[in-house]
Amino acid sequence: KNEVEQSPQNLTAQEGEFITINCSYSVGISALHWLQQHPGGGIVSLFMLSSGKKKHGRLIATINIQEKHSSLHITASHPRDSAVYICAVRWGAQKLVFGQGTRLTINP
Amino acid sequence: GAGVSQSPSNKVTEKGKDVELRCDPISGHTALYWYRQSLGQGLEFLIYFQGNSAPDKSGLPSDRFSAERTGGSVSTLTIQRTQQEDSAVYLCASSPGTMNEQFFGPGTRLTVL
Repeated sequence: KNEVEQSPQNLTAQEGEFITINCSYSVGISALHWLQQHPGGGIVSLFMLSSGKKKHGRLIATINIQEKHSSLHITASHPRDSAVYICAVRWGAQKLVFGQGTRLTINP
Repeated sequence: GAGVSQSPSNKVTEKGKDVELRCDPISGHTALYWYRQSLGQGLEFLIYFQGNSAPDKSGLPSDRFSAERTGGSVSTLTIQRTQQEDSAVYLCASSPGTMNEQFFGPGTRLTVL
């Protein structure tokens, strides 16, 4: 069983829709990362958070430490948001453990 | 400023040959990570360097894999006697410290025939 579970695995939506991607993990963590991987393969770090909520442009990330759950939201989605979104958690100060990713497709 | 760079971007090799993959981290970043992404699979941790501390090698899949980091900067991941299951994209990331955001390189796509 993967220690980091993402849902859904695949998500297709229309431009403008509000998107939510979920991440659950099994034990207490020191930090959680949301990453974006575009079709060309490059990975960009979107957020790193250990509590509360962060916002950057149309992206919002929240984390509930007690429930071991994080969500990534995209408001007013656009086709350029189409990518794989990856949740990764860190236990202690070292390596990341990754979820399987959520493939998001936004149709115009 | 310059991001994390990796070379080569693509490498095709024959089964049984050795390969070396290079990572140039962002200048001043003390932490460096190697990850692997096999086709259709998620990312998996391979090895981690932090300053002058002993590296965390717990993710290396076999003793055919090794990595070094010279002078606290450039890192080389070496795979000896490559096997077809080693085919994957190998990603390097660096960060200013262990509790910071990680910056990823573009990856090296390794194909073992």
